[in-house]
Amino acid sequence: ETGVTQSPTHLIKTRGQQVTLRCSSQSGHNTVSWYQQALGQGPQFIFQYYREEENGRGNFPPRFSGLQFPNYSSELNVNALELDDSALYLCASSLGPPGDEQFFGPGTRLTVL
Amino acid sequence: EDQVTQSPEALRLQEGESSSLNCSYTVSGLRGLFWYRQDPGKGPEFLFTLYSAGEEKEKERLKATLTKKESFLHITAPKPEDSATYLCAVQDNRNQAGTALIFGKGTTLSVSS
Repeated sequence: ETGVTQSPTHLIKTRGQQVTLRCSSQSGHNTVSWYQQALGQGPQFIFQYYREEENGRGNFPPRFSGLQFPNYSSELNVNALELDDSALYLCASSLGPPGDEQFFGPGTRLTVL
Repeated sequence: EDQVTQSPEALRLQEGESSSLNCSYTVSGLRGLFWYRQDPGKGPEFLFTLYSAGEEKEKERLKATLTKKESFLHITAPKPEDSATYLCAVQDNRNQAGTALIFGKGTTLSVSS
């Protein structure tokens, strides 16, 4: 059984740029959730996708957008990067209908300069 | 508003010195309470799910319990390898944002030999 994978591991961008982060779900899982974790904080929910449809969204601006593909992999896109977007971005997969236990990937560390 | 508060923020123990971590929560309706372990720079690792007051779950030196207002993670005879940040999260069954996890800030546990 393959776990959740994310790419890239680390990324450095400058203010105003755009970034795409990628996530492959655990085998058999059809729901993906994205979280942002600032240093010293707990993860904060960005949004969730179930069978390619957005299934819920947290308190993040529209410049945070996502996609889920037919193979249940997912992308997180962030436009017009701000310094405060520097964080660890975590992807979690679960078995739907949106399941309870979410299994996390290793994360992508984004630094915005 | 759903809220999760964890205490203490940091805990230092000697090897073999048992203790408990606390997670207090406020939700409209509890769908589930989750405990995760997170090592520095890595994604959270799933430990337990608890669904109803009175429920208990154990794994090696860890035991999680749940009441209507809080959960405890008991650590019995900890070892240095138990050092990590322990995160508590809840799901609200009336949350429009899918099955989002609402996290606390975590308790950072350090166990010295």
